[in-house]
Amino acid sequence: AQTVTQSQPEMSVQEAETVTLSCTYDTSESDYYLFWYKQPPSRQMILVIRQEAYKQQNATENRFSVNFQKAAKSFSLKISDSQLGDAAMYFCAYRRGQTGANSKLTFGKGITLSVRP
Amino acid sequence: DVKVTQSSRYLVKRTGEKVFLECVQDMDHENMFWYRQDPGLGLRLIYFSYDVKMKEKGDIPEGYSVSREKKERFSLILESASTNQTSMYLCASSPMTGSGRNQPQHFGDGTRLSIL
Repeated sequence: AQTVTQSQPEMSVQEAETVTLSCTYDTSESDYYLFWYKQPPSRQMILVIRQEAYKQQNATENRFSVNFQKAAKSFSLKISDSQLGDAAMYFCAYRRGQTGANSKLTFGKGITLSVRP
Repeated sequence: DVKVTQSSRYLVKRTGEKVFLECVQDMDHENMFWYRQDPGLGLRLIYFSYDVKMKEKGDIPEGYSVSREKKERFSLILESASTNQTSMYLCASSPMTGSGRNQPQHFGDGTRLSIL
C-alpha cells in the first residue's frame, strides 16, 4: 500500500521569506501523480500544485514550486515570497496513475504553516 | 469552476441517531469521495463511488454506508451515530481518470459533525 509521510507537524516563516515543506512517499508503482493541497482556516481544500511522476521537470505555479526527487521518493513544496494568506494547513497527496476507477488519493497528515508579519 | 456543495457546515446529533450527510457536485464528475479529517491523522477515505449505484470501501468504512442514486449526489450515512464519529467530513469529486489523468479532486467546504 502507498503511504505519504509529512514529518513536520508545524512550520513558521517570516513574511516575504521562503519556506520548504517536506513530503516523502512510498510506492512500488512507476506511474503516479503527486499533489499539494492547501486548507486555509475557512476550511475548503484547494489544489496548490501537481506533478506527474513521468515528468522530470519540477512543476511551478507562480510562487509555488516543487522539488520532485523520484529516486528518493521525495516531493517538497517551496513557497517563495511568503504572504499572510499562505497561512494554512498543507497536505501532500499521492494517486496511482492507472486509468479507470482507481483514482483514490492517499494523504499525508498535513503540516500547519504560520506566516509571521 | 467546479462546485462541490455539502448540505451542512455544522451538525449536532445524538448517539444512536441515523445521520445523513449530503454532497452535490455540478461538473458531471464520475468519481465522488467521502473523507473524514481528524487532527494529527490527516484525511482518511471512508468510501468512494465511480459511477451511479457503484461504491467501494475506503480505508475506514466501518460504521458508515453510502448512497449514489444520481450522478451528481453522494450521500454518507452513519447508521447509528457514535461519539467516535465526531469529526470533520469532506466530500470531493473528480473526473474519471481516463479522461484527465492528472485531474485533481475538488472538495466541498466540509461538515463539522458532533455526536453527543
